[in-house]
Amino acid sequence: ETGVTQSPTHLIKTRGQQVTLRCSSQSGHNTVSWYQQALGQGPQFIFQYYREEENGRGNFPPRFSGLQFPNYSSELNVNALELDDSALYLCASSFGGTNYEQYFGPGTRLTVT
Amino acid sequence: GESVGLHLPTLSVQEGDNSIINCAYSNSASDYFIWYKQESGKGPQFIIDIRSNMDKRQGQRVTVLLNKTVKHLSLQIAATQPGDSAVYFCAENIQGAQKLVFGQGTRLTINP
Repeated sequence: ETGVTQSPTHLIKTRGQQVTLRCSSQSGHNTVSWYQQALGQGPQFIFQYYREEENGRGNFPPRFSGLQFPNYSSELNVNALELDDSALYLCASSFGGTNYEQYFGPGTRLTVT
Repeated sequence: GESVGLHLPTLSVQEGDNSIINCAYSNSASDYFIWYKQESGKGPQFIIDIRSNMDKRQGQRVTVLLNKTVKHLSLQIAATQPGDSAVYFCAENIQGAQKLVFGQGTRLTINP
């Protein structure tokens, strides 16, 4: 088990709604990355936060946004939910704005109906 | 485009045998690679990593081999056990980009 925690574990939302997912990084880690994993696929990079700023972004629209707090925890916000947003959302932590030894949390399963 | 692919989507091995899971990557700028194990309903679990200045690294029952000439990565699991059943992903870190790129995964199943 890693020290990365995520909440909630499961969530059901309706199309058009907004959702906030939360992540606490492993002790000693100051970098948080978010990934979306569709069923049967590998994780897709959404963005990374380091020093409370976005440190890189994948091919996701602006309705996917995030925050990092002084204690290195992070939030992922998704506005105007679409059915295709249904997926496992994974948070991973690492150190120094890098991806070295990146450890994942258990994920949040989001279902959009 | 950027991609990390796998030669086989599924692999079935006998308990006690060695398993070899392969991965091809396309970006010569990749400087770091990680193998993850993902069990059903869980997040990916870090298994072993390797930097591009190495060609082999060993852990407990696992070995990762890197062949930069042909852009190939493999994970060897010795004496495969039922608990090794999972989907295995390789991921590459593209130097200068702040992301890991994952393949689609290989499902490893263990026959008793």
